[in-house]
Amino acid sequence: SQQGEEDPQALSIQEGENATMNCSYKTSINNLQWYRQNSGRGLVHLILIRSNEREKHSGRLRVTLDTSKKSSSLLITASRAADTASYFCATAAGDSWGKLQFGAGTQVVVTP
Amino acid sequence: DTAVSQTPKYLVTQMGNDKSIKCEQNLGHDTMYWYKQDSKKFLKIMFSYNNKELIINETVPNRFSPKSPDKAHLNLHINSLELGDSAVYFCASSRPGGELFFGEGSRLTVL
Repeated sequence: SQQGEEDPQALSIQEGENATMNCSYKTSINNLQWYRQNSGRGLVHLILIRSNEREKHSGRLRVTLDTSKKSSSLLITASRAADTASYFCATAAGDSWGKLQFGAGTQVVVTP
Repeated sequence: DTAVSQTPKYLVTQMGNDKSIKCEQNLGHDTMYWYKQDSKKFLKIMFSYNNKELIINETVPNRFSPKSPDKAHLNLHINSLELGDSAVYFCASSRPGGELFFGEGSRLTVL
């Protein structure tokens, strides 16, 4: 069954604005990862946050994790047209680190 | 050099045929995966191999048979193709507990 669910399903913003998307999951996790997928391409890893971490930054990306609420958020600041893509969260539960469960993704469109 | 490469990128075939997709990674990872992405972009794990040994088999019909001749290669053979097999199949690799590196996908269309 699907572990992570992203919200919203789609997001349309203008260049320079921030984009925020959320991910909720169901079971205890070891870590949560965010990936980006450009149209017709493979997924690219963005950031990994461990269950004992609350926030992590990478460039214009900021990820938070709230294990009590079983949720995570991805913030992209000062968005660019090149950020147009689908964004997926994925969780690894317990000792099944190899079994990443993906959500259905948030489709982000950034218009110039 | 492409880290995870899979071929072919596109397959169009008739119901009932058999097809194979090949995957190779040059990252030195021990673990490789096959994922299926449906038309709604939902991505689901199918198989995982660690150092040529099958470790994850997610209730996939036995028409799907993965094979790992060595830890750098993981191929997927599909027998008796059905309409519902149409999807994009992604190969990936990783270190234990690490991020996944994905190939560019193989889009399978069954007519």
